[in-house]
Amino acid sequence: GAGVSQSPSNKVTEKGKDVELRCDPISGHTALYWYRQSLGQGLEFLIYFQGNSAPDKSGLPSDRFSAERTGGSVSTLTIQRTQQEDSAVYLCASSLMGHNTEAFFGQGTRLTVV
Amino acid sequence: GENVEQHPSTLSVQEGDSAVIKCTYSDSASNYFPWYKQELGKRPQLIIDIRSNVGEKKDQRIAVTLNKTAKHFSLHITETQPEDSAVYFCAASREGGADGLTFGKGTHLIIQP
Repeated sequence: GAGVSQSPSNKVTEKGKDVELRCDPISGHTALYWYRQSLGQGLEFLIYFQGNSAPDKSGLPSDRFSAERTGGSVSTLTIQRTQQEDSAVYLCASSLMGHNTEAFFGQGTRLTVV
Repeated sequence: GENVEQHPSTLSVQEGDSAVIKCTYSDSASNYFPWYKQELGKRPQLIIDIRSNVGEKKDQRIAVTLNKTAKHFSLHITETQPEDSAVYFCAASREGGADGLTFGKGTHLIIQP
């Protein structure tokens, strides 16, 4: 079946604008992760959804960042009033049952704030 | 929450030699330790994982070892080849943990011809 799909692949936005990044996980996967990867850097954890449990938002860098997961499937990461330091690749991953199962990554959304 | 430290940040080895990447973790309840490989411009992909009920796992030229007492685990690549050049990430997670997979900062492995 299809893998994890993210859209858009690339997004250029002006400083101060809001952006929405979308993630379509693999069908049936209950766990969904968002990570941020700056150029040449590691994977910075942002948020984790597991089934119907309240998401762990501890990784969100500021209150400008928020995420939703509707119907236990598609997730949207929203960044309000974007800043230049928000420029990075945003990666989404899903796994069948969360812990102790392989996470499959999407191709990422490259966000550039100008 | 969990904290994963990974070393070295960059590793350069001659083609054919072995490479070892080491990670330590802080949460003694962590019980799943995957390794991901990210080639330039591509998404991370799982290459091997180990669970806390075993001490070592092998898959052809790669192996992972786990020392639960010391809370560290390592990736071993033997007979390195040019296609092994990539960034490697270790990670840790535990049952019931709220933050899912916690990744190390990555190791850039360079295979010198």
